[in-house]
Amino acid sequence: DADVTQTPRNRITKTGKRIMLECSQTKGHDRMYWYRQDPGLGLQLIYYSFDVKDINKGEISDGYSVSRQAQAKFSLSLESAIPNQTALYFCATMPSGGNEQFFGPGTRLTVL
Amino acid sequence: GIQVEQSPPDLILQEGANSTLRCNFSDSVNNLQWFHQNPWGQLINLFYIPSGTKQNGRLSATTVATERYSLLYISSSQTTDSGVYFCAVDPYGGSQGNLIFGKGTKLSVKP
Repeated sequence: DADVTQTPRNRITKTGKRIMLECSQTKGHDRMYWYRQDPGLGLQLIYYSFDVKDINKGEISDGYSVSRQAQAKFSLSLESAIPNQTALYFCATMPSGGNEQFFGPGTRLTVL
Repeated sequence: GIQVEQSPPDLILQEGANSTLRCNFSDSVNNLQWFHQNPWGQLINLFYIPSGTKQNGRLSATTVATERYSLLYISSSQTTDSGVYFCAVDPYGGSQGNLIFGKGTKLSVKP
């Protein structure tokens, strides 16, 4: 019954490979976010989207791209993965005019 | 940009003890949330509290926006409270919803 789902939950890949992480939500929220968490640190914003046609870079967007396929779907791509992109990736949603973000379960990505 | 500092960075408690976690932020904020990251990595919303006081069971939180800090109180701690507690703020005048996270307080509750 998760309202925000992420696939895959775990992924191991090799340097130079392209990889896509997917996020889906059933909350009906317009706003969606991708964050990255490095070990021992808080989360940092990669990209965010206020609706299907509105996509914005966050603090650490280099090396990443996103696609908002529908209100409910927001994908994060690593065009050519590198080892320092090994991290825990979170998707989050928030309603327009709202104030509280809700997070998915996370995707643990390892780049060898 | 805004700075978010949490203290203490690590905390070890005996089951049943009480604790207070602190979050200081360097500028005005629209939003402040507290999260618990459990040992499996999941982020659980605890409180949305840009100002005032809220309580939920053994947990309560207070934010004094004018003095730029928030406190999270955990009473009668249990081993299931273990994990990392994050404070996150949405800076006033920002793009709304772009949360800036502190580095967290790692809590270990011993039986």
